Amino acid sequence: TQLLEQSPQFLSIQEGENLTVYCNSSSVFSSLQWYRQEPGEGPVLLVTVVTGGEVKKLKRLTFQFGDARKDSSLHITAAQPGDTGLYLCAGEPNNAGNMLTFGGGTRLMVKP
Amino acid sequence: EPEVTQTPSHQVTQMGQEVILRCVPISNHLYFYWYRQILGQKVEFLVSFYNNEISEKSEIFDDQFSVERPDGSNFTLKIRSTKLEDSAMYFCASSEGFRIGTWETQYFGPGTRLLVL
Repeated sequence: TQLLEQSPQFLSIQEGENLTVYCNSSSVFSSLQWYRQEPGEGPVLLVTVVTGGEVKKLKRLTFQFGDARKDSSLHITAAQPGDTGLYLCAGEPNNAGNMLTFGGGTRLMVKP
Repeated sequence: EPEVTQTPSHQVTQMGQEVILRCVPISNHLYFYWYRQILGQKVEFLVSFYNNEISEKSEIFDDQFSVERPDGSNFTLKIRSTKLEDSAMYFCASSEGFRIGTWETQYFGPGTRLLVL
């Protein structure tokens, strides 16, 4: 089983601060996806990264896939209360079919 | 924007009863999936389905579980004899297509919260 470890598990910051969430594995992934999940709802896709070293930006969110495709990070600039939520990374294991392996999530709270 | 829908949103059942969870994947998608999330735990893969047969399944997906595409739009998960530990949020997902070794984005439904008493 290929595991994805997310850190930190919880993060509480003030509005305007920057933060980075990490998603790490000892295994290689064909792709890595970041989702955001609200309580009682399904994961909503934010971005998919595919190429080692790839960087994608979504407004104030910057996603990076590690060169070796074993890790990824999500950086939020100038966090806002609306960014509060659970952020999940999920990877498609290399040559292991189309199942997604999820990390445990980072619960972010941005205080005004 | 097309989305995956699931019914019911909540289901309460007695232990030992059968339940059927329903999903309508995005219309032009070919691959369908079920995941579950026990309260406070990670989202876990159960099964993937393509061309009217199971593509992959996890250890969780034992003989109590089955999936079906009864018509051109619905995708169902049946639990034959529910156990207390089946209580979880069940998510359906779909993706456009699939080639081994390439990426494929999965879109998730809102989930069905199953409570087994």
